[in-house]
Amino acid sequence: GQQLNQSPQSMFIQEGEDVSMNCTSSSIFNTWLWYKQDPGEGPVLLIALYKAGELTSNGRLTAQFGITRKDSFLNISASIPSDVGIYFCAGQLSPQGAQKLVFGQGTRLTINP
Amino acid sequence: DTAVSQTPKYLVTQMGNDKSIKCEQNLGHDTMYWYKQDSKKFLKIMFSYNNKELIINETVPNRFSPKSPDKAHLNLHINSLELGDSAVYFCASSQDSPGLGELFFGEGSRLTVL
Repeated sequence: GQQLNQSPQSMFIQEGEDVSMNCTSSSIFNTWLWYKQDPGEGPVLLIALYKAGELTSNGRLTAQFGITRKDSFLNISASIPSDVGIYFCAGQLSPQGAQKLVFGQGTRLTINP
Repeated sequence: DTAVSQTPKYLVTQMGNDKSIKCEQNLGHDTMYWYKQDSKKFLKIMFSYNNKELIINETVPNRFSPKSPDKAHLNLHINSLELGDSAVYFCASSQDSPGLGELFFGEGSRLTVL
């Protein structure tokens, strides 16, 4: 089946540093999404990408849909304490919505004070 | 107003018992899901319903039975609970227009089987 490899699995950074994480797949996807999960909460959508090569920003977050359609990255600039959490990439092949969304294993971000 | 709400948030029970988790969404979405998140935080889809019709049924034991009385509700009933069922179960919903694959998740229901 389709699998996503997300890296790194965990990151320990200082406040103010920039963060970069990525996701690769053996299959082509038509949509890439990035979610963040805070402790004790459900994942929340950060950025959705619908076109190969698309680069989208949401505040300090920037994500790109790889040209090959097999990868995506998420960057966070000038990290702050509330960025702590688990970040998930998700890929979807079907053009008809979130059915069969495949999630990566997550990147756990920890920020040292 | 909570968009996707699920109850209970915590559930502790003995092996062999039967339990249910309820989910409701007030977003007017057509599709609802159940996901299981294990101790390693891996999110795996279990079921998907579109307008009360079962669309996705991943390899899940028959002990798990979803029920959708209407498109705003999707409940999950689990029979004969086993230790391996311990996990956080997330309900989610989406509006499946073409090109739109955005899930809205509930807060999760943490199930602990003793």
